[in-house]
Amino acid sequence: QQQVRQSPQSLTVWEGETAILNCSYENSAFDYFPWYQQFPGEGPALLISILSVSDKKEDGRFTIFFNKREKKLSLHIADSQPGDSATYFCAASGTGGYKVVFGSGTRLLVSP
Amino acid sequence: EAAVTQSPRSKVAVTGGKVTLSCHQTNNHDYMYWYRQDTGHGLRLIHYSYVADSTEKGDIPDGYKASRPSQENFSLILELASLSQTAVYFCASSGTRYEQYFGPGTRLTVL
Repeated sequence: QQQVRQSPQSLTVWEGETAILNCSYENSAFDYFPWYQQFPGEGPALLISILSVSDKKEDGRFTIFFNKREKKLSLHIADSQPGDSATYFCAASGTGGYKVVFGSGTRLLVSP
Repeated sequence: EAAVTQSPRSKVAVTGGKVTLSCHQTNNHDYMYWYRQDTGHGLRLIHYSYVADSTEKGDIPDGYKASRPSQENFSLILELASLSQTAVYFCASSGTRYEQYFGPGTRLTVL
């Protein structure tokens, strides 16, 4: 039973395009949604996050769009760069909890 | 300077043998976690701990034990390693619910 689902599994975009990574969840108790970025051979690192009281969060070229009613969110990477090539994990946690549920990840390749 | 370190970075073990993976953090965080990563499954929580000398089961604890002898150290123990436990294992620490800090991972191969 996967509580956090991601699509697509892999995505290839050209340099300069906007990459869109999708995520959905099942548990209505989730209220915090971080996205982690992982480069090959390294551990994941927090990239950007959003609380469920917001519907949008921007940090430079990275933007999260959040739809609480549909239990969906997406990560948009504008002006994608080859250095953005990595695996991106959508995750979720609930109020007062330190446990985080991770999705299966989207592997992004940005071609120059 | 890396705040979460893991040892060994890679290991080959034999089926039925005992394996211990170690994690050390200098973040002064109360929470520590062990995850395994498999292609197609993302990160799955095995065990976690919020205080020394206490551990909690995560989502896939079967076949694994954990030990937290101090705030800084957290070990994952495979008493009888099996082929299905071949994976990359990550340790993480957190001081709040908003960010986990991951180590570089241990690649475990069970033959």
